[in-house]
Amino acid sequence: EIVLTQSPATLSLSPGERATLSCRASQSLSSSLAWYQQKPGQPPRLLIYDASNRATGIPARFSGSGSGTDFTLTISSLEPEDFAVYYCQQRSNWLITFGPGTKVDIK
Amino acid sequence: QVQLVQSGGGVVQPGTSLRLSCAASGFRFSVYGMHWVRQTPGKGLEWVAVIGHDGSMTNYGDSAKGRFTISRDNSRNMVYLQINSLRAEDTSVYYCVRDLKSGWFDFWGQGSLVTVSS
Repeated sequence: EIVLTQSPATLSLSPGERATLSCRASQSLSSSLAWYQQKPGQPPRLLIYDASNRATGIPARFSGSGSGTDFTLTISSLEPEDFAVYYCQQRSNWLITFGPGTKVDIK
Repeated sequence: QVQLVQSGGGVVQPGTSLRLSCAASGFRFSVYGMHWVRQTPGKGLEWVAVIGHDGSMTNYGDSAKGRFTISRDNSRNMVYLQINSLRAEDTSVYYCVRDLKSGWFDFWGQGSLVTVSS
């Protein structure tokens, strides 16, 4: 099983600041990684797939990068609605796993 | 618009069985694979199962092998998850999810809480 590790566990920032979230895989994923956002009481929402492709309707302030074992989700300028938990996910050979999440909260 | 409306769930006793249902609308259901994903506060998000667009392919996560069965009815735009011999550790919110490009999850149902308790 491929293990995903996310850091930091919590990121405390102010609106307008840049957020940089990390996801590291225990094995190479090539570019097979996705990012999701989840707010309390809601299901996760797909933000990025294939490491860097924004899903339909996702604002341009969200961007993904990386390949192999190291990936990054960047939010260029935090909006009030961006404070949430973010998960990474891989899909290698239908052995799908998620990371434990990074909580982005208001400083 | 894409909608996935779930039903089923609730409080169930250990050892019993349960079927979760998911009604899809707003898209051509028969060409999409579908998944179930569950979430618990302690274990986070866990992929449960996938079924191919025509039902001919299924795959399960390690925790779901043997007791869980995913199925679909394309004539009714429905996907199901049957869980047998329920255990306390199956207590979770279960989500019905549409597949994007073989393993990404682009639309999620509202979630069904399953609580296994005597």
